[in-house]
Amino acid sequence: GQNIDQPTEMTATEGAIVQINCTYQTSGFNGLFWYQQHAGEAPTFLSYNVLDGLEEKGRFSSFLSRSKGYSYLLLKELQMKDSASYLCAVLDSNYQLIWGAGTKLIIKP
Amino acid sequence: DVKVTQSSRYLVKRTGEKVFLECVQDMDHENMFWYRQDPGLGLRLIYFSYDVKMKEKGDIPEGYSVSREKKERFSLILESASTNQTSMYLCASSFALAGRGTGELFFGEGSRLTVL
Repeated sequence: GQNIDQPTEMTATEGAIVQINCTYQTSGFNGLFWYQQHAGEAPTFLSYNVLDGLEEKGRFSSFLSRSKGYSYLLLKELQMKDSASYLCAVLDSNYQLIWGAGTKLIIKP
Repeated sequence: DVKVTQSSRYLVKRTGEKVFLECVQDMDHENMFWYRQDPGLGLRLIYFSYDVKMKEKGDIPEGYSVSREKKERFSLILESASTNQTSMYLCASSFALAGRGTGELFFGEGSRLTVL
């Protein structure tokens, strides 16, 4: 079966750095997405990786290793507004999105 | 500014009622999706459509149907609502990649349905 694993919840301190991991086992791979979802709101796109390596976008970076079936989202200089759920999703060989259950990130002052 | 609009943010229905959830996008996207989101579970795909009048079942289509008569509008129908359909329903749209692949999804605000 297809599977996406992410930690259920993480806690970090304002101003610090946090890494949210995502491991996947899917039938094929056509890219990996990260979305941010604040409580009660719709998910919004953060990043898309299809090649190995690190992609940086401001305070957020996303890393992919296809051989390891692994990605992480790195958030730097954490702000209170970064408190949200972070969803990992993989596009499989049929171009269907497989979603993880999401990681709830709690930022403490 | 791109926009996906869902008709109702909150609905309360009784068991057995017919429920319509409507979604409109203004980005001329080919693909449209209906998901449900429940605590502790990932987004689960109910139905999707990659063109007008085209629809395909997702992972959990039982108890649901959809309609896409116009490119910008994708409706989700619960023919006879049941309590286990209480959930958050999210509509999304995207441009197509590689034919039926999908690019970045744009989501609506969600419709929280409670079935009593």
